[in-house]
Amino acid sequence: AQSVSQHNHHVILSEAASLELGCNYSYGGTVNLFWYVQYPGQHLQLLLKYFSGDPLVKGIKGFEAEFIKSKFSFNLRKPSVQWSDTAEYFCATNTGNQFYFGTGTSLTVIP
Amino acid sequence: NAGVTQTPKFQVLKTGQSMTLQCAQDMNHNSMYWYRQDPGMGLRLIYYSASEGTTDKGEVPNGYNVSRLNKREFSLRLESAAPSQTSVYFCASSDIQSWNTEAFFGQGTRLTVV
Repeated sequence: AQSVSQHNHHVILSEAASLELGCNYSYGGTVNLFWYVQYPGQHLQLLLKYFSGDPLVKGIKGFEAEFIKSKFSFNLRKPSVQWSDTAEYFCATNTGNQFYFGTGTSLTVIP
Repeated sequence: NAGVTQTPKFQVLKTGQSMTLQCAQDMNHNSMYWYRQDPGMGLRLIYYSASEGTTDKGEVPNGYNVSRLNKREFSLRLESAAPSQTSVYFCASSDIQSWNTEAFFGQGTRLTVV
């Protein structure tokens, strides 16, 4: 089965700091990759997705992610975080009929 | 545009009670999913339905049953609730057979079993 690893479990940053959250996936074939965000008390919302083409994907709220096939990675980045980015972030992929989620990274941004 | 709607939003059960979580989507998606979310464990798949009329076990199916009532609705039933089932439950849907599509999530049900 597929698996997704997120190595940063909890990240604390000050406002305006740069963010990079790691994500690695296990499948060696064609993959779809996603980053979801979950604000406190809310459901998961899509930040961005990669299906094919340009490996640098831009999403909502200034987030971007880079697909590096040779490293099986899809890291999420933001140049300057805001307090409102405090949330949990999930990397995911899908194969067959299922989605596979990482365990999530909790981001706390200090004003 | 409602998307994925779950009911109820909150529920408290006593050990041994039963309940059904309801989920409906209005996006004409073929696939629907039930996940539970626990601190530090991310999202774990309980059951999924790839298409109307089919259901399959996910990672943590024990203690749960599901029904794909029609294309829109996918319910999750706890027959005899246990404290270990205290969790936040999310329903999701996707047109996954189209390959390049994401999962859409409901607002979640926070269940406490005492």
